[in-house]
Amino acid sequence: NAGVMQNPRHLVRRRGQEARLRCSPMKGHSHVYWYRQLPEEGLKFMVYLQKENIIDESGMPKERFSAEFPKEGPSILRIQQVVRGDSAAYFCASSSDETNYGYTFGSGTRLTVV
Amino acid sequence: QKEVEQDPGPLSVPEGAIVSLNCTYSNSAFQYFMWYRQYSRKGPELLMYTYSSGNKEDGRFTAQVDKSSKYISLFIRDSQPSDSATYLCAMRRTSYGKLTFGQGTILTVHP
Repeated sequence: NAGVMQNPRHLVRRRGQEARLRCSPMKGHSHVYWYRQLPEEGLKFMVYLQKENIIDESGMPKERFSAEFPKEGPSILRIQQVVRGDSAAYFCASSSDETNYGYTFGSGTRLTVV
Repeated sequence: QKEVEQDPGPLSVPEGAIVSLNCTYSNSAFQYFMWYRQYSRKGPELLMYTYSSGNKEDGRFTAQVDKSSKYISLFIRDSQPSDSATYLCAMRRTSYGKLTFGQGTILTVHP
């Protein structure tokens, strides 16, 4: 079991470009969560998805950010027209339908906007 | 006021010491409690998972939850330099759904 796979590990974008972050959950996991971590801060929830559905997007900025988890393929977090304030580490976590368990995190994508 | 409060430290202890890490929270609806360890530039790693109140032990780690006081703790016995990391408490209200994290406590165990 390869764990939660995120790519790329590092992503550099110029202001105004688009950033696409990918997350492949652990085998058998159908729940995916995205979090953002700024330097010296804890993880902030962004969005919770289950296959083809957005369950909770209460942490997503209203503009420029979107997420999907298609029936086939990885979950994608998309940031349009990036700004310097988007520079952060973005982590994906996944879980199974087993309720009595924690979430497994990936190694993250570090986005730098220049 | 943040929903989950955690002293960021830093905390520095000698090897072999007992470490106590704590979080307080304000939302009484939280039912599931976790502790994660995060090494520099890595993803969080689940250490302990507890449902509702009580204690849970796993090797050198003990997690305690006191829902009446809205207070959770992680104890590390016989601490090792390899325990040096940031420790994050996290909690959620329901079986699924978002985790709310504390800020994290930076721990250094020196030989």
